[in-house]
Amino acid sequence: DQQVKQNSPSLSVQEGRISILNCDYTNSMFDYFLWYKKYPAEGPTFLISISSIKDKNEDGRFTVFLNKSAKHLSLHIVPSQPGDSAVYFCAAPSLYSGGGADGLTFGKGTHLIIQP
Amino acid sequence: GAGVSQTPSNKVTEKGKYVELRCDPISGHTALYWYRQSLGQGPEFLIYFQGTGAADDSGLPNDRFFAVRPEGSVSTLKIQRTERGDSAVYLCASSLGRTDTQYFGPGTRLTVL
Repeated sequence: DQQVKQNSPSLSVQEGRISILNCDYTNSMFDYFLWYKKYPAEGPTFLISISSIKDKNEDGRFTVFLNKSAKHLSLHIVPSQPGDSAVYFCAAPSLYSGGGADGLTFGKGTHLIIQP
Repeated sequence: GAGVSQTPSNKVTEKGKYVELRCDPISGHTALYWYRQSLGQGPEFLIYFQGTGAADDSGLPNDRFFAVRPEGSVSTLKIQRTERGDSAVYLCASSLGRTDTQYFGPGTRLTVL
């Protein structure tokens, strides 16, 4: 039962345009979400987060939007740059996933490719 | 300061062998996590340490997997009688406390032949 879903395995965007990465979740108890970015042969790097009391959080070129009623969040990157090419993971604390797990529950990731 | 480090970066072993994977967390981080990432999947939680104790090992797949953190810093993930299905990248993360941002190491790629 995948509680955090990223349905697009890959996304190709032209440099300078907006990249929009989507994430859906099924557990309405999740109250905090994170985005991690991963380059090949490196560990995931924290990018941005959002609490369920907000519907938007912005940090430079990165903005995360949360739609609680739709159980959907999205990461917007504008303008997209070649260095943004990486795998992006959506995650939520597992506390409410059942089983009492203290780690993060991750989606499968979306491979973003920025084309020059 | 230095980030999370993991050794070895790559480990190839034969089915049935025993392996140990090491994680050096960021200095001062009391929380330490192990995850496993299989091909095409996101990281999956294995175990969480708060200090020296395993506060939550609910993600360990079976009793062949065990982890320790004897002095509250370095942690070792131990896998007995390895199976081909154990092949994956094993990631370690640390954070200041349980609810703080997790910082990941580069991972150890384990291949079981």
